[in-house]
Amino acid sequence: AQSVTQLGSHVSVSEGALVLLRCNYSSSVPPYLFWYVQYPNQGLQLLLKYTSAATLVKGINDFEAEFKKSETSFHLTKPSAHMSDAAEYFCAVSRTSNFGNEKLTFGTGTRLTIIP
Amino acid sequence: NAGVTQTPKFRVLKTGQSMTLLCAQDMNHEYMYWYRQDPGMGLRLIHYSVGEGTTAKGEVPDGYNVSRLKKQNFLLGLESAAPSQTSVYFCALRGGRPPYGYTFGSGTRLTVV
Repeated sequence: AQSVTQLGSHVSVSEGALVLLRCNYSSSVPPYLFWYVQYPNQGLQLLLKYTSAATLVKGINDFEAEFKKSETSFHLTKPSAHMSDAAEYFCAVSRTSNFGNEKLTFGTGTRLTIIP
Repeated sequence: NAGVTQTPKFRVLKTGQSMTLLCAQDMNHEYMYWYRQDPGMGLRLIHYSVGEGTTAKGEVPDGYNVSRLKKQNFLLGLESAAPSQTSVYFCALRGGRPPYGYTFGSGTRLTVV
């Protein structure tokens, strides 16, 4: 079975500071990994996804994530936080099941608060 | 979100009532999913469909039924609503090539009293 663990349900950073949101995955086969963002009262928007072509993945709004197989991690970072980054962030993993049907499994989410 | 429409956006039900949530797409994707989102639990898969006429159970299927009679529509039914089904429900589509892109609807907020 596949799963993801997001460390820290709430993270607060000052405006302009580094954002680091942690995600560790578990998968018996090489995974596909995703980060999604959810702004209040909205659906989920894809930030970035791991394609296996490169371990450092760049996404929208200056977010990036690094795939580290040895640590089974896919942490999300942004060099300088903006007030508009306040949202909930979800890490997700998928793989092909025995029947070739892919399912997306989410972590429990991290709510990011930006301090002015 | 473009291409995925969920109706209704909000609904309040009394315990024991039934209702159907509709997910409609114009993206011609085969795979469709229903998730529920609850505080502190992320999104959990209820049911999914890999094509017209097919459905399968996800992680938390109890109390729900689904149908995919037409490729563009995926319906989620609650036959006898319970307070535990109070949640935000999201429909998602999967398309493209691996690793697939998933497109999410804007959600349905359901309260069962």
